Amino acid sequence: EAQVTQNPRYLITVTGKKLTVTCSQNMNHEYMSWYRQDPGLGLRQIYYSMNVEVTDKGDVPEGYKVSRKEKRNFPLILESPSPNQTSLYFCASRGVGGSGNTIYFGEGSWLTVV
Amino acid sequence: QQQVKQSPQSLIVQKGGISIINCAYENTAFDYFPWYQQFPGKGPALLIAIRPDVSEKKEGRFTISFNKSAKQFSLHIMDSQPGDSATYFCAASPGGGYSTLTFGKGTMLLVSP
Repeated sequence: EAQVTQNPRYLITVTGKKLTVTCSQNMNHEYMSWYRQDPGLGLRQIYYSMNVEVTDKGDVPEGYKVSRKEKRNFPLILESPSPNQTSLYFCASRGVGGSGNTIYFGEGSWLTVV
Repeated sequence: QQQVKQSPQSLIVQKGGISIINCAYENTAFDYFPWYQQFPGKGPALLIAIRPDVSEKKEGRFTISFNKSAKQFSLHIMDSQPGDSATYFCAASPGGGYSTLTFGKGTMLLVSP
């Protein structure tokens, strides 16, 4: 079954404590991306990656880091989380160049920073 | 700068009615226009998509209408059912969908029994 898997699904953390949200996909997709969803603001892209070792900023990258060392994994790193990063986060993936342009989303990770 | 404007923010429709959600875009390079459906506690999932070479695409009870000159597109849900209650996002992308998607802010649809 085609899947994008995120962990943890729910997390409450404190300001300044580094955390990582993992993302893995089993579809051999080159493109992976992170979004945050906030009420009234919709889905905003944080970072994306077109392939291994290739990453680029989206619309709201401040306060986040990513890495793409393997094709299937694309972790999101919050080095020093702040309350304004409290949000619902989605990882997504798709193929490139004729292999299907449908974006598949994970089920989301609820993050609360206190 | 919001490149895809979606309205309304929320919508209540009676069972059996027609739900209509509208989106407008500014970037003339956009050539792929999908709609995503999101149920509570789940990630968005592709519902239906259209390219600008056609004015309408229908899949079951869901239809996208596209007006290239007005730079607008809309989702129509015929015979709306309570199971259609969800948040709907329109989106747009250049490059046939192989470039970054820009999403609208979403519409919460409630279909009352």
